Amino acid sequence: EAGVAQSPRYKIIEKRQSVAFWCNPISGHATLYWYQQILGQGPKLLIQFQNNGVVDDSQLPKDRFSAERLKGVDSTLKIQPAKLEDSAVYLCASSLTGQTNQPQHFGDGTRLSIL
Amino acid sequence: AQKVTQAQTEISVVEKEDVTLDCVYETRDTTYYLFWYKQPPSGELVFLIRRNSFDEQNEISGRYSWNFQKSTSSFNFTITASQVVDSAVYFCALSLSGNTPLVFGKGTRLSVIA
Repeated sequence: EAGVAQSPRYKIIEKRQSVAFWCNPISGHATLYWYQQILGQGPKLLIQFQNNGVVDDSQLPKDRFSAERLKGVDSTLKIQPAKLEDSAVYLCASSLTGQTNQPQHFGDGTRLSIL
Repeated sequence: AQKVTQAQTEISVVEKEDVTLDCVYETRDTTYYLFWYKQPPSGELVFLIRRNSFDEQNEISGRYSWNFQKSTSSFNFTITASQVVDSAVYFCALSLSGNTPLVFGKGTRLSVIA
């Protein structure tokens, strides 16, 4: 089966610019996650979707970050305006149901550099 | 709140040596799940294992083995006869039961030298 697809692979922007990332989960996976991984740290959950509804966005900086999953399949994560501290790898993951007994499968991530 | 500590930031071993990666977790819940993921240089996180809090049996999968000890809140990972392809960052993670997010440790970078 095809894995989680993410694009772009790399992105370099200047601070205060906007950027968007795209994720296509594994077919049939109802739950989709966006994680932020800052260099030298483990991934931190930004937002979790169950189909097209938000389950958890408590750690999403909502003044600058937004995410959507309109048709319950693909998802986009946007940052506007970007800050230097947003430099990180943004990982998308999906799981079949979102229950803990279902492992999360991760994409390759988008490496974002803010100048 | 949940917390995962991986005290070893970097480990370097020579090929064929055994190596153990430590993981200590904190949670007040009695039902939880522990995970290990591997992150090779390509960047994706590869799922290795999941254990629930009621199953303390050690597990072996090829050269990989895991030692879960609730008494010390530890879930350590051992690679036997390490290979260069094992070089990666390894993350331990914790999740409560149900629809809850993973809480990751900071990872241990393993370098296996030929």
